[in-house]
Amino acid sequence: ILNVEQSPQSLHVQEGDSTNFTCSFPSSNFYALHWYRWETAKSPEALFVMTLNGDEKKKGRISATLNTKEGYSYLYIKGSQPEDSATYLCAFNSGGGADGLTFGKGTHLIIQP
Amino acid sequence: ETGVTQTPRHLVMGMTNKKSLKCEQHLGHNAMYWYKQSAKKPLELMFVYSLEERVENNSVPSRFSPECPNSSHLFLHLHTLQPEDSALYLCASSQVRLASSGANVLTFGAGSRLTVL
Repeated sequence: ILNVEQSPQSLHVQEGDSTNFTCSFPSSNFYALHWYRWETAKSPEALFVMTLNGDEKKKGRISATLNTKEGYSYLYIKGSQPEDSATYLCAFNSGGGADGLTFGKGTHLIIQP
Repeated sequence: ETGVTQTPRHLVMGMTNKKSLKCEQHLGHNAMYWYKQSAKKPLELMFVYSLEERVENNSVPSRFSPECPNSSHLFLHLHTLQPEDSALYLCASSQVRLASSGANVLTFGAGSRLTVL
């Protein structure tokens, strides 16, 4: 059974502050690591997919890093805005013919004005 | 709109009912998925279809029956469900199977919220 852990479970951040959270995943049989943003009453939306150790991806104020050897990824949000309020999911793909992603429970982020 | 449309958005059914959830995508994707999200649990993969063939079935009870008549449509047929099956059911698609390309991502629908009485 694959275990994907995200921390913290929830986070309150003041508007304008920067924040980050963590995804831990198995360090063996790594194929890809995904990040999704899920706003209430909407569809989860892909932010990043990373496949190589040391990968860094950036999209506007949001960036992510990947360490496959130790099995973790960080998501950073710079200068948080109210529209960043969402649940952020990470998902691990172990490859080997598996099509399913193993998801973490998510980090619920609330930006306070 | 993500390009993946799910209907209905909300469904209430009794344990003896038969109902279906529908998913449609016109993104030209070849793989489609059903995921389940129960309260306080992570998203769980239920079924995977690639080019209309089922490629994965994650030990899902037979009261859930998927159907993929073509590459744009995916159904989840529901029959004699239990109250514990109440959950959000998400459909997703990807250009090719995730096992074939690590660079692919899932495009999700908004989900069908199911309540079983």
